[in-house]
Amino acid sequence: GAGVSQTPSNKVTEKGKYVELRCDPISGHTALYWYRQSLGQGPEFLIYFQGTGAADDSGLPNDRFFAVRPEGSVSTLKIQRTERGDSAVYLCASSSTGGAANNEQFFGPGTRLTVL
Amino acid sequence: ILNVEQSPQSLHVQEGDSTNFTCSFPSSNFYALHWYRWETAKSPEALFVMTLNGDEKKKGRISATLNTKEGYSYLYIKGSQPEDSATYLCASRAGAGNNRKLIWGLGTSLAVNP
Repeated sequence: GAGVSQTPSNKVTEKGKYVELRCDPISGHTALYWYRQSLGQGPEFLIYFQGTGAADDSGLPNDRFFAVRPEGSVSTLKIQRTERGDSAVYLCASSSTGGAANNEQFFGPGTRLTVL
Repeated sequence: ILNVEQSPQSLHVQEGDSTNFTCSFPSSNFYALHWYRWETAKSPEALFVMTLNGDEKKKGRISATLNTKEGYSYLYIKGSQPEDSATYLCASRAGAGNNRKLIWGLGTSLAVNP
């Protein structure tokens, strides 16, 4: 079946603008995760949804970042007043229900955000 | 705070060579270790999820071992091929249930020359 998809694949914006990044998880996966990878770094956890609710948002760097998943499927990561330091690849992953140790996260191809 | 480290940072090998990388992680509160393979412009691809001390897993020419007591995992590639060129990332999960956060290393970038 279809994997995790993310749109857009690339986004260039100007400092101070608002952006939305979209993630379509694998059908039936109740858990959805957002990560970001800045240049030269490993991926960094942002937020995890179980269904419609954010189960862990401890990785969101500040209140300019917000994510929603209103129907428990598609998720949107929203960034207000973008800064140059927000430039990164934003990765989305999904997994099936359950917190079992061997629960695998399946990733999308990412959205490369560039803030000029 | 977890700190996952990988070495080497990058590696260049010839086709046919066998190679291995290291991932080290805090052994306290360990729950699971994930290995991913990430090619440029593609999605990270899950290779292994390992949970038990002494685990050994294999997928084709790639295998991995896990030592949770000392906090390290090795990834081995036997007979490297150019298509193995990618960044190999490991990530540790420290908690059960709703603690799903993965803490990632910086990756090992592998280039296999034909």
